Amino acid sequence: GAGVSQSPSNKVTEKGKDVELRCDPISGHTALYWYRQRLGQGLEFLIYFQGNSAPDKSGLPSDRFSAERTGESVSTLTIQRTQQEDSAVYLCASSLEGRIHNEQFFGPGTRLTVL
Amino acid sequence: AQSVTQLGSHVSVSEGALVLLRCNYSSSVPPYLFWYVQYPNQGLQLLLKYTSAATLVKGINGFEAEFKKSETSFHLTKPSAHMSDAAEYFCAVSNTGANSKLTFGKGITLSVRP
Repeated sequence: GAGVSQSPSNKVTEKGKDVELRCDPISGHTALYWYRQRLGQGLEFLIYFQGNSAPDKSGLPSDRFSAERTGESVSTLTIQRTQQEDSAVYLCASSLEGRIHNEQFFGPGTRLTVL
Repeated sequence: AQSVTQLGSHVSVSEGALVLLRCNYSSSVPPYLFWYVQYPNQGLQLLLKYTSAATLVKGINGFEAEFKKSETSFHLTKPSAHMSDAAEYFCAVSNTGANSKLTFGKGITLSVRP
């Protein structure tokens, strides 16, 4: 079956512009995570959605970052007024339920470059 | 707070040699630990996970890891490296709260020499 998909695969933007990144989780997966991987760094947690519960936004680095999820399907991560330090690979993952033992399945990521 | 340390950023081994990738964790509660692999131009893939059952965990592609509480370690090993093992490897610890978000180490790039 289809895995987690993300679009676009690459995005180059100018400083100050807004960008929107999309994630399509595996069908039936109620939990969805966004992570960021900056060059030479590990993955940083950004935000977590679980069903209809309020999202855990504790990892968002600033109020320029926001994310939405429509029910248990597509999620979009929006970065407003992008800065050069936002350049990174943004990874989305989904799992059957938001529990420890459930494997998170990762998408291929979106590479964002802010000039 | 939980954290993971992966010392070094790059390991190079010869084909057929032992692979040892180190991971140390910090956690105030019993952790759940994971190793993920990222092949070039692909997404992260789960290699294996420790969830408080057996301390020696076997994963895919011949990899295994041993949980050692006394050393707060979860090192990844493979007896004989193959060229196809060349990839980036990430160790991660899971949040034991309601949100099972993963806290990752910085990753180690494994190169395999012919």
